[in-house]
Amino acid sequence: AQSVSQHNHHVILSEAASLELGCNYSYGGTVNLFWYVQYPGQHLQLLLKYFSGDPLVKGIKGFEAEFIKSKFSFNLRKPSVQWSDTAEYFCAVTTYNTDKLIFGTGTRLQVFP
Amino acid sequence: DAGVIQSPRHEVTEMGQEVTLRCKPISGHNSLFWYRQTMMRGLELLIYFNNNVPIDDSGMPEDRFSAKMPNASFSTLKIQPSEPRDSAVYFCASSQGTSGSGAGQYFGPGTRLTVL
Repeated sequence: AQSVSQHNHHVILSEAASLELGCNYSYGGTVNLFWYVQYPGQHLQLLLKYFSGDPLVKGIKGFEAEFIKSKFSFNLRKPSVQWSDTAEYFCAVTTYNTDKLIFGTGTRLQVFP
Repeated sequence: DAGVIQSPRHEVTEMGQEVTLRCKPISGHNSLFWYRQTMMRGLELLIYFNNNVPIDDSGMPEDRFSAKMPNASFSTLKIQPSEPRDSAVYFCASSQGTSGSGAGQYFGPGTRLTVL
């Protein structure tokens, strides 16, 4: 069965620090990859997605992610975080023949001023 | 666009009562998903519909849970009878496109359910 692993459960950074959140998936076929963000008390919002083409995907709010097929990874990055980036971040995957999203367990990011 | 609309936003009920959660997907979206989020179990997909037809209900916990989508603009998730362990935030999401198209799902604000 497909699965998504987010190894960083809780990340604490100071403002202006660089961010990289890990995401690995297990599926050998064609995948679509997503990052969602959930701000405190709010619903999930789509940050960015990879469907095909350029493996470096740029999303909203200065986030980007790189799909490395050989490593089954889709890590999320941001060069300089802000206090307002404090949230929980979820990586998710769908396979080519389904809309069913498989979510990782999430990474809680805390950014201190 | 108004986005995905869910009601009620908060629901407090007593054990044994029937609970009905409602969802209106984004107009034009043809897939609808129901999720449950708890601290212990994270985000779980309960069921999803494509073109109003249930495609995968393997995540529905037990027979107390049922979901319907009578038309393209409305879905319900019903719990009967409710139990304290059903307390969670229930999210509805919708997406557009064919299966595997990578369209991405758009989430509603959620219903926070508390069963006493």
